[in-house]
Amino acid sequence: AQSVSQHNHHVILSEAASLELGCNYSYGGTVNLFWYVQYPGQHLQLLLKYFSGDPLVKGIKGFEAEFIKSKFSFNLRKPSVQWSDTAEYFCAVGPGIPTFGRGTSLIVHP
Amino acid sequence: DSGVTQTPKHLITATGQRVTLRCSPRSGDLSVYWYQQSLDQGLQFLIQYYNGEERAKGNILERFSAQQFPDLHSELNLSSLELGDSALYFCASSVGAGFGYTFGSGTRLTVV
Repeated sequence: AQSVSQHNHHVILSEAASLELGCNYSYGGTVNLFWYVQYPGQHLQLLLKYFSGDPLVKGIKGFEAEFIKSKFSFNLRKPSVQWSDTAEYFCAVGPGIPTFGRGTSLIVHP
Repeated sequence: DSGVTQTPKHLITATGQRVTLRCSPRSGDLSVYWYQQSLDQGLQFLIQYYNGEERAKGNILERFSAQQFPDLHSELNLSSLELGDSALYFCASSVGAGFGYTFGSGTRLTVV
């Protein structure tokens, strides 16, 4: 079975700072990778996903993630964060029923 | 609005009681998944239904059960409730397990 680890539990940034959230997974086969975002009081929304092809995946709201197979990583990045990016971010890994990481809480100060 | 509807949004009940959470999937999605989100356990997969049939089970307690009806809505039944069952319960739907989920807004269950 697959497992996923998000090392950063809490991240605090100022607006315009660059963001990188770590996600590492453990699985020996072909993986499906996802990042979800949960804004305060709202449901989880899919930010981006990787199944195959270009390892650099672009998602909504200016987010991107890079799949590095040799490092078993799928880190989420954004070059310049905004206050509205304050949320909980979850990495998830398949195949099959995705396993979710514990989440990273991002707070962006205006 | 994600297209996945969960009711009720909030539920407060006493220990030992039984509650039913309801989920209507996004139009066209045949799969329904139930997750429990708590501070100490994170987002835990409970159970999946596909077109009325149970497809996968995760960390679901024996006190919990679910079903999916012919109109594809699903219900999660939680019985003999304990304080530790207090959590957010999310329903998600998809066309298939590998395609990403659409989540509902969740039901916040508080057991007192």
